[in-house]
Amino acid sequence: QVQLQESGPGLVKPSETLSLTCAVSGQSITSSGFYWAWVRQSPGQGLEWIGSVHHSGSTFYSPSLKSRVTISADTSKNQFSLEVNSVAASDTAVYFCARHARNWGSLDQWGQGTLVTVSS
Amino acid sequence: EIVVTQSPGTLSLSPGERATLSCRTSQGVSADFLAWYQQKPGQAPRLLVYGASNRATGIPDRFSGSGFGTSFTLTISRLEPEDSAVYYCQQYGPSPLLTFGPGTKVEI
Repeated sequence: QVQLQESGPGLVKPSETLSLTCAVSGQSITSSGFYWAWVRQSPGQGLEWIGSVHHSGSTFYSPSLKSRVTISADTSKNQFSLEVNSVAASDTAVYFCARHARNWGSLDQWGQGTLVTVSS
Repeated sequence: EIVVTQSPGTLSLSPGERATLSCRTSQGVSADFLAWYQQKPGQAPRLLVYGASNRATGIPDRFSGSGFGTSFTLTISRLEPEDSAVYYCQQYGPSPLLTFGPGTKVEI
């Protein structure tokens, strides 16, 4: 059973960079047929896809966040990461990592999520 | 850019009743690329249906999905108290790659 676990600072100052890592266990991120995704949810709001990465390094980003986001995969550590630069209060959210099934386009396994607050 | 809408915003029903949730996309999408999720407070979303009508592993058969083109439906027959949650549909398309609807809250 694949498990995903987010980690990273829970508090980030405005204008700084938010960095999170998702550790994957029970499956290699090099397994064929999968991307690895980040999704966020602002307090009381809906789900927002941030982007997805393939173990080869190919990335896909939400157009609304593309200019500030970098997602990368580390196959040696079986994990993938998210960076959002120049953060503002509007980036305060629960950040989820998820397994993205390429054939169906669905997110079939999720981490528990981690709250990141942007505040000075 | 494909826009995904859901209706109603909130659905209040009693145990044993049937819930019908609607998801519409601004452009036609392949049924292969339409998914539904359930999210309970404080939890991560859980995949219910993929490919518009395929139940994910472990999902009870009272959950069923249907639809094609721009109109899709999630039906929950015989509602149970634990089905209280927010339900999201999501499409997988060229750009952006993934788009979620705003969600339907089901109150039981």
